[in-house]
Amino acid sequence: GAVVSQHPSRVICKSGTSVKIECRSLDFQATTMFWYRQFPKKSLMLMATSNEGSKATYEQGVEKDKFLINHASLTLSTLTVTSAHPEDSSFYICSARDTRVHEQYFGPGTRLTVT
Amino acid sequence: AQSVTQLDSHVSVSEGTPVLLRCNYSSSYSPSLFWYVQHPNKGLQLLLKYTSAATLVKGINGFEAEFKKSETSFHLTKPSAHMSDAAEYFCVVSDGDTGTASKLTFGTGTRLQVTL
Repeated sequence: GAVVSQHPSRVICKSGTSVKIECRSLDFQATTMFWYRQFPKKSLMLMATSNEGSKATYEQGVEKDKFLINHASLTLSTLTVTSAHPEDSSFYICSARDTRVHEQYFGPGTRLTVT
Repeated sequence: AQSVTQLDSHVSVSEGTPVLLRCNYSSSYSPSLFWYVQHPNKGLQLLLKYTSAATLVKGINGFEAEFKKSETSFHLTKPSAHMSDAAEYFCVVSDGDTGTASKLTFGTGTRLQVTL
């Protein structure tokens, strides 16, 4: 089946620094990727929809200047958490939509801890 | 607006006994409904989906779900639990198939525990 990878799987950073998370579709092309955030024991919340070659669409309440999304190729989208604070600590999950079969596949997630 | 409510945050069953994970939905549109499973340190995996075809949907690993419009429910069942079924399960609603750019709205999840 289709595979979506995320890197890193786990990252710890200091408050005020920036962290980049990569999401890759390994064996298919994805014009659309989605970024979710999952709080402990809570649901996934969609943060933004990333479209290849254009600006991402952010959900209401998500700061676009804080969560920078770049979708520069059909297999890679990146999420950069800028000037991270402890409240940004969370589990970030991406998904990629395979345009050939119209299915959405999820990555394994990245656990971010800001100290 | 669309939403899903998973009625149980935690379900515990014995191996070999039936599984029932409950989900109710709310949608302004004719919804598409999904169940995803999340194992620790692994990505979300699609178990099954309903997209306005047969109301009884069969998925992978012996799971199935029945769409009941009158009850706005989409409960997930399995006749006999296996230890490997222990995981987090999410009920998800969309106003279109995952093939569209439609947003997915997730329930809060149900953790299934399977005991010997």
